[in-house]
Amino acid sequence: EAGVTQFPSHSVIEKGQTVTLRCDPISGHDNLYWYRRVMGKEIKFLLHFVKESKQDESGMPNNRFLAERTGGTYSTLKVQPAELEDSGVYFCASRPSGRGYNEQFFGPGTRLTVL
Amino acid sequence: RKEVEQDPGPFNVPEGATVAFNCTYSNSASQSFFWYRQDCRKEPKLLMSVYSSGNEDGRFTAQLNRASQYISLLIRDSKLSDSATYLCVVNGNDMRFGAGTRLTVKP
Repeated sequence: EAGVTQFPSHSVIEKGQTVTLRCDPISGHDNLYWYRRVMGKEIKFLLHFVKESKQDESGMPNNRFLAERTGGTYSTLKVQPAELEDSGVYFCASRPSGRGYNEQFFGPGTRLTVL
Repeated sequence: RKEVEQDPGPFNVPEGATVAFNCTYSNSASQSFFWYRQDCRKEPKLLMSVYSSGNEDGRFTAQLNRASQYISLLIRDSKLSDSATYLCVVNGNDMRFGAGTRLTVKP
């Protein structure tokens, strides 16, 4: 079974540009999460989808970040316009719904560099 | 104060050594607890969940003390392949990660 996949693996953009990150969760996983790790800091929660609905977006840093999950399958995270402090590794994770399904499966991450 | 605090590390130990990592969390309403392992430039992967009764998986033992809001991970008979960063993760309304403790096991 395929794991969580993310695209692209790396992105280098200039300040002010737009970047869209994509996450394909494990098939059948209703829950999808976005996280970010900025250099030297801990991984931080950004938001949580249950199917196509945003369950919790309390970790989104500001309105330059927009996440979508149309159809409840893959998700995109768009940064517009990108700032220098947005550089970091963006991880996506997914898990099934239901009691006992606590483990989140992480994708390999997208390394974003804003110059 | 950070929500999840871990030993800063790094830990450099010889093969065969026993090493212990500690973690404290601030949200008393947290419901589930995990240790994840992250290799260099890779994604985090679940090492083990942590239960109140304590649990063991081979050379790895995890303990949880809810009263003290403290979690630990003990690795016995360290192997070179145990070298990684170990992340303490606490789940309340969402997952909160510690900054990680880096372990290097040397021959």
